[in-house]
Amino acid sequence: EAGVAQSPRYKIIEKRQSVAFWCNPISGHATLYWYQQILGQGPKLLIQFQNNGVVDDSQLPKDRFSAERLKGVDSTLKIQPAKLEDSAVYLCASSSWKGRRETQYFGPGTRLLVL
Amino acid sequence: AQRVTQPEKLLSVFKGAPVELKCNYSYSGSPELFWYVQYSRQRLQLLLRHISRESIKGFTADLNKGETSFHLKKPFAQEEDSAMYYCAVMAGTASKLTFGTGTRLQVTL
Repeated sequence: EAGVAQSPRYKIIEKRQSVAFWCNPISGHATLYWYQQILGQGPKLLIQFQNNGVVDDSQLPKDRFSAERLKGVDSTLKIQPAKLEDSAVYLCASSSWKGRRETQYFGPGTRLLVL
Repeated sequence: AQRVTQPEKLLSVFKGAPVELKCNYSYSGSPELFWYVQYSRQRLQLLLRHISRESIKGFTADLNKGETSFHLKKPFAQEEDSAMYYCAVMAGTASKLTFGTGTRLQVTL
């Protein structure tokens, strides 16, 4: 099966500019996650969707970050305006269930550099 | 809040030597523990979870609730084991994964 797709793979912007990332999950996966991974750290959950509804966005900096999954499939994550500390890899994941066990599958990530 | 600690940023071992990647967690309930691995130029992927109690690529991990640890072990390291390893905990009903900071395993000849 095709994996989680993300684009772009790399993005360089100046601070105060806007940027958007796109994610296409594995077909049939209802749950979608966005993570932020700052250099030297593990991934940190930003937002979790179940179909087109938000399950958890407690760690999303809502003053500048927004995410949507309007039709319950693709998702976009936007940063407006970007700050230097937003430089990170943004990972998208989708998950499948086997009985009571969930497995998250990760995309290749989008590497963002804010100058 | 749940927390995962991986004390070593880098672990360097010789090929054929035993490997132990340490992971400690803090959570008061009954969490599910995972090890994820990222090989060079590949995406993050699940290596194993404690519930499965299985050996994947020769790696095993035992959940020690008394010590709140979930160390990853392999008796004989191989060059292809060189990668970044992340311990993660999932707790509660919201399927939220909390990752450690990762340990880079370097297997040398």
